[in-house]
Amino acid sequence: AQSVTQLGSHVSVSEGALVLLRCNYSSSVPPYLFWYVQYPNQGLQLLLKYTSAATLVKGINGFEAEFKKSETSFHLTKPSAHMSDAAEFFCAVDKGGKLIFGQGTELSVKP
Amino acid sequence: GAVVSQHPSRVICKSGTSVKIECRSLDFQATTMFWYRQFPKKSLMLMATSNEGSKATYEQGVEKDKFLINHASLTLSTLTVTSAHPEDSSFYICSALDAPNEKLFFGSGTQLSVL
Repeated sequence: AQSVTQLGSHVSVSEGALVLLRCNYSSSVPPYLFWYVQYPNQGLQLLLKYTSAATLVKGINGFEAEFKKSETSFHLTKPSAHMSDAAEFFCAVDKGGKLIFGQGTELSVKP
Repeated sequence: GAVVSQHPSRVICKSGTSVKIECRSLDFQATTMFWYRQFPKKSLMLMATSNEGSKATYEQGVEKDKFLINHASLTLSTLTVTSAHPEDSSFYICSALDAPNEKLFFGSGTQLSVL
């Protein structure tokens, strides 16, 4: 069964530091993978998606993620965190046209 | 601007009453929409797939008589929580599929509080 697991329900970084949010997937076939962000009191926004083209996917707001088949991972990174990056981040996998979400990781950015 | 409008954003109701939540695609036609439920500090749980002109497909464990879904037009799906109870209090989110462009857009969610 296709699913994703996000390691760490809460990540805290200092402003300007590297952001690393972890996501591992389980799938019997090459999956379509997504990262979504949810800012307070807002709906979900697509950050980026992997659809079996390039393994390094660049998204909005300086975020990127790398698909690593050997590690079954799709970790999200950003070189330098901004205060405005504080939000809830969800990794998701496409399961027959439906999105199955991970548990979410709350990112806090300290001044 | 928002391409999927979800209304209301917040609703408080008494136990035993029914609540309707609307999800509209604003500038595209969506034959398929999805309804999710999100608990505090929890992931989004897919409740059902709403198909225009046909019955919704419910995920395992979701009561279809409790959560009525109607997708009567290509731009509107509604979720009605019937005879709501406090345990139905949650954040409900819809999404609409722009199939030709292979894009999925989410509404801003509805916070339901049942007293």
